[in-house]
Amino acid sequence: DIQMTQSPSSLSASVGDRVTITCRASQSISIYLNWYQQKPGKAPKLLIYAASNLQTGVPSRFSGSGSGTDFTLTISSLQPEDFATYYCQQSYTSPFTFGPGTKVHVK
Amino acid sequence: EVQLLESGGALVQPGGSLRLSCAASGLTFSSYAMNWVRQAPGKGLEWVSGISGSGGKTYYADAVKGRFTISRDNSKNTLYLQMNSLRAEDTAVYYCAKEVATVTTGEFDYWGQGTLVTVSS
Repeated sequence: DIQMTQSPSSLSASVGDRVTITCRASQSISIYLNWYQQKPGKAPKLLIYAASNLQTGVPSRFSGSGSGTDFTLTISSLQPEDFATYYCQQSYTSPFTFGPGTKVHVK
Repeated sequence: EVQLLESGGALVQPGGSLRLSCAASGLTFSSYAMNWVRQAPGKGLEWVSGISGSGGKTYYADAVKGRFTISRDNSKNTLYLQMNSLRAEDTAVYYCAKEVATVTTGEFDYWGQGTLVTVSS
């Protein structure tokens, strides 16, 4: 199975900050990498698919990049509604493994 | 608007069985593969199983293979997960998640609100 890791596991930030989260796969997954946002008690929401494609309706302050084994999710200017946990997930092959998550909380 | 509504979660004893359902609306159900993803209390997301739009192909995580069975009834717009030989480690919120295509791609663009399964004596 492909293992996914994320760093940091948590970060504290302020509104307006630029935030970057890193995701690494245990083997090359090309661009088959997705990012989800999850708020407490809610279902995950797809933000980015195929490494860099913004899902319809997702604000443009979110962006993704990377290929192969290393990927990043960037929030250009953090908004109050962005405090949440972010998960990367590989869709290269089944089982579709998720990273352990990065919790973004208020500084 | 796509809506997915899970049901069937409950408290069940170890070794017991449970069937989860996910009723879909607002989409041509048979055109999309579907999945189950779970989340243990306070933990991360774990993909459990997937099924193609026709139901002809199914996929399972090793942790549930041989114990869980995914199926769908396209005439009822409903996805199922039959869970047998349940263990304490199966305790989680179970989400159904819609794929972006008929075949399983691993991209989940819509999720239900989840249903809680608790395995405990």
